[in-house]
Amino acid sequence: GAGVSQTPSNKVTEKGKYVELRCDPISGHTALYWYRQSLGQGPEFLIYFQGTGAADDSGLPNDRFFAVRPEGSVSTLKIQRTERGDSAVYLCASSLTGLAGAGTGELFFGEGSRLTVL
Amino acid sequence: DAKTTQPTSMDCAEGRAANLPCNHSTISGNEYVYWYRQIHSQGPQYIIHGLKNNETNEMASLIITEDRKSSTLILPHTTLRDTAVYYCIVRGIPQTGANNLFFGTGTRLTVIP
Repeated sequence: GAGVSQTPSNKVTEKGKYVELRCDPISGHTALYWYRQSLGQGPEFLIYFQGTGAADDSGLPNDRFFAVRPEGSVSTLKIQRTERGDSAVYLCASSLTGLAGAGTGELFFGEGSRLTVL
Repeated sequence: DAKTTQPTSMDCAEGRAANLPCNHSTISGNEYVYWYRQIHSQGPQYIIHGLKNNETNEMASLIITEDRKSSTLILPHTTLRDTAVYYCIVRGIPQTGANNLFFGTGTRLTVIP
């Protein structure tokens, strides 16, 4: 597709369960980002990939959160032992490489995956 | 990344220009000013960015003060579809590896019919 695609759009789970959220970035974009947005707040940075590697994971709140991007395209955000406080919209974005000389740095966001932990 | 300060909310009459201010007094020399907006239930959308010169594109104009400590986003002829939360973000240039955007709480703009 032309834009960033995220699935599922909505996920309801029970406390303690494991969840995976998928992001399909724009073709050719080497940089991929995950953000989390709680109600009434701005998006909060979680992790950034350049290619297959996590260049910055300083925003991951704890070791229950993990993300992978094994082939440098699709990424999966994984949340173990979910808690009610994990309920939020999880946003994925992609951009052209952040390396020298490339692009404006504009991030293209998907519509998010809304996670509700009961 | 430098912090930004924006008003919590603003109203604008449909068809009028909206001027959204942003203070970024701690901005450093290699940081750009970016503006994004987020319409309800959608992901943020890029609007415009600049370093020190004023910028204009098909969506908006960005006016940056000479000392770069503040800026104003101008939406010239608002429509109801411009109702959204507008985020002002300062960010290092991608070449330096500063690739993340740090959002604040933004300004909620309501365009009134």
